[in-house]
Amino acid sequence: DAGVIQSPRHEVTEMGQEVTLRCKPISGHNSLFWYRQTMMRGLELLIYFNNNVPIDDSGMPEDRFSAKMPNASFSTLKIQPSEPRDSAVYFCASSGGGAQETQYFGPGTRLLVL
Amino acid sequence: GESVGLHLPTLSVQEGDNSIINCAYSNSASDYFIWYKQESGKGPQFIIDIRSNMDKRQGQRVTVLLNKTVKHLSLQIAATQPGDSAVYFCAENMGRGSARQLTFGSGTQLTVLP
Repeated sequence: DAGVIQSPRHEVTEMGQEVTLRCKPISGHNSLFWYRQTMMRGLELLIYFNNNVPIDDSGMPEDRFSAKMPNASFSTLKIQPSEPRDSAVYFCASSGGGAQETQYFGPGTRLLVL
Repeated sequence: GESVGLHLPTLSVQEGDNSIINCAYSNSASDYFIWYKQESGKGPQFIIDIRSNMDKRQGQRVTVLLNKTVKHLSLQIAATQPGDSAVYFCAENMGRGSARQLTFGSGTQLTVLP
């Protein structure tokens, strides 16, 4: 079975550029999570969708970050404009029953903003 | 604020020995806990979970113990193998209703020595 799919796996961009990260959750899962992982802050929840609706975006750092989930099989996390401090690994996870059920993580996107 | 924390950031064990990774939590209302394993360059991988109505749960070579009295969680790995080398995270399920979310600890780096 295919797990959570993320693309790209690696992204290098220059400060000020727009970055779009993509995620395909596990088929049948109705909840999707975006996380950011850094050495300094560990694994942080950015935003959480349930049935394609954003439930909690309190972890989104600032207005430069936005996330969408147009359908049950696709989500994007966009950073515009990007800054060097956005450099991190961004993970997408999905679960079958919200945050109280096991979340399965994708391989992550390693973002480097120069 | 309340958070999940780990007692030790690193742990080294001899191959074949048992490993014990500890985790302290402070939110007495948390009712679901998960252990994840993260290998270098990969996303967190679900290992085992436990709900607050249990104090022990066993999987293949892994056991999770939950002590709600002292708010302590541990992961025991039997006969540790080189492939067990990774960072291990405990995660605590917090919040109510649709706002429930996982909060991750800082992680413990497990190194298996030959």
